[in-house]
Amino acid sequence: GENVEQHPSTLSVQEGDSAVIKCTYSDSASNYFPWYKQELGKRPQLIIDIRSNVGEKKDQRIAVTLNKTAKHFSLHITETQPEDSAVYFCAARFQGAQKLVFGQGTRLTINP
Amino acid sequence: GAVVSQHPSWVICKSGTSVKIECRSLDFQATTMFWYRQFPKQSLMLMATSNEGSKATYEQGVEKDKFLINHASLTLSTLTVTSAHPEDSSFYICSGQGQETQYFGPGTRLLVL
Repeated sequence: GENVEQHPSTLSVQEGDSAVIKCTYSDSASNYFPWYKQELGKRPQLIIDIRSNVGEKKDQRIAVTLNKTAKHFSLHITETQPEDSAVYFCAARFQGAQKLVFGQGTRLTINP
Repeated sequence: GAVVSQHPSWVICKSGTSVKIECRSLDFQATTMFWYRQFPKQSLMLMATSNEGSKATYEQGVEKDKFLINHASLTLSTLTVTSAHPEDSSFYICSGQGQETQYFGPGTRLLVL
């Protein structure tokens, strides 16, 4: 069935270092992969997304890479700052579906 | 970016009462809206997909008679939790789909006593 696995569940990095979060998906025909950031008690906010016809996308300190053959995609945050601390969710839209299937989330903590 | 509002932001009610939550897309038309439930430290759990003018599609295990969804216009969807019980206490979040992207509302925190 439709499934998205996300790792790690928690991640702690020193301020200024890079953070990488990885997700795998089950349906090779999936075509859209967004990443959301959720701060405590707030709404998830889209930070970056990628479509299946693109291998990499970058927006300032944030980048996403997609490997369709291996069915995985990753979020890369460089030069991390304390305000990057939050829970990050990956998601995938499976072909023919309207809904997104979310990963389990990664709690990222940036240590000053 | 697109904005989705949700009302109320929090509600406390007695067991057995019904609670209505509104979700509005403010600056775009959302043909499709989604309702999620989120328990502390857990992921977003999709409850149902709501298409304007048609019946909602519920995920497996979600009682459609308990969680009534109405999507009467392209900018408004409502979720009614009927005969709420303490186990229904949770954070309910809606999202509206603009083209490919889902934009989330701020959520409604429900506490049933």
